Amino acid sequence: GAGVSQSPRYKVAKRGQDVALRCDPISGHVSLFWYQQALGQGPEFLTYFQNEAQLDKSGLPSDRFFAERPEGSVSTLKIQRTQQEDSAVYLCASSLNTRTVYNEQFFGPGTRLTVL
Amino acid sequence: DAKTTQPNSMESNEEEPVHLPCNHSTISGTDYIHWYRQLPSQGPEYVIHGLTSNVNNRMASLAIAEDRKSSTLILHRATLRDAAVYYCILRDVAGYALNFGKGTSLLVTP
Repeated sequence: GAGVSQSPRYKVAKRGQDVALRCDPISGHVSLFWYQQALGQGPEFLTYFQNEAQLDKSGLPSDRFFAERPEGSVSTLKIQRTQQEDSAVYLCASSLNTRTVYNEQFFGPGTRLTVL
Repeated sequence: DAKTTQPNSMESNEEEPVHLPCNHSTISGTDYIHWYRQLPSQGPEYVIHGLTSNVNNRMASLAIAEDRKSSTLILHRATLRDAAVYYCILRDVAGYALNFGKGTSLLVTP
């Protein structure tokens, strides 16, 4: 079946530009996560949605980062006024429901953002 | 979540077993032990998880020490496709985010 998809797969932005990264989770998955992965590092948590509600945004690095999931399915991560330090792979993951004891997270392939 | 410690890298020959260690001396009673792996240029994928007892699935086995302060991911016959970064992650039963750390980069040679 279809997994988590992300678009675009690659994005090059000039410093100061705004970017929008899209995530299509697995159909029926209630929980959605965004992670940021710098080169040579493990992914780091950014934010978490349960349906359309953003329950945790503690990992967003600055107020330039904004995420939404208005209808509880597709999510968009927006970065305003991009900086070079924003260059990373942005990973989206979804899971069926985190309210059970355990739910595996399914990850998309990521969007590689390069800020020049 | 409690911290885990893994070797930076390990090497294995194809078709031999691989034992990937993870130390988690500050694990709490409600922490589950999860393993994910990340193949080159892909997102992470779930491998296995456990709480106290050893676990087996089609991908791997998880051996958990009796005091739960360490665990070992076992790949029974490594293939070239198993070359990846393996992450050992502790997550509280009530938690949701995954704290990946740096993981172990596994190299599999023919």
